[in-house]
Amino acid sequence: GNSVTQMEGPVTLSEEAFLTINCTYTATGYPSLFWYVQYPGEGLQLLLKATKADDKGSNKGFEATYRKETTSFHLEKGSVQVSDSAVYFCALLDSSYKLIFGSGTRLLVRP
Amino acid sequence: DTAVSQTPKYLVTQMGNDKSIKCEQNLGHDTMYWYKQDSKKFLKIMFSYNNKELIINETVPNRFSPKSPDKAHLNLHINSLELGDSAVYFCASSHQGDTQYFGPGTRLTVL
Repeated sequence: GNSVTQMEGPVTLSEEAFLTINCTYTATGYPSLFWYVQYPGEGLQLLLKATKADDKGSNKGFEATYRKETTSFHLEKGSVQVSDSAVYFCALLDSSYKLIFGSGTRLLVRP
Repeated sequence: DTAVSQTPKYLVTQMGNDKSIKCEQNLGHDTMYWYKQDSKKFLKIMFSYNNKELIINETVPNRFSPKSPDKAHLNLHINSLELGDSAVYFCASSHQGDTQYFGPGTRLTVL
């Protein structure tokens, strides 16, 4: 079946450090891929998405590229801020419109 | 304007009680969803409705009953609440297989 695997957290970085959160998926076909972010005490917000192979999603300095060869959708940001501290979820949309989520990765950015 | 709203935000109740959570979206979407987030932040779909018709019903106890009075509303009724039902419940909406937008969540605590 379809599944998403994310790197275990927490990830702790200093402000302005480079961020990578790994995400790989298993799916039939080529599903749309998403990154959602959950700030403390809040709901899920769409961060970025990619709908086909080699697409790059980007938003607020975050980027992720849909790599079908490696079935990956790693999240990157060149310079993190304290305000980026949150839980990040990678997800795929299966053929019945279900979002299949990874387990989430907590990011903590220290000043 | 709130796109996807849920009420209540917090719900504390005793075991055995019956409770409802309401969801409304003003995005003009035709598909609505309920997801459950457990204490480890893991997210899983429970139900999905398209144009008031149930299209996804995961292996959820039949104490949970969704109801969609119209395309803009999807409510979740839970009978005979159990300790294990404590979680955050998220409503989401989309236009068919497009991006899903989430509400702020309802934190349910069963004592």
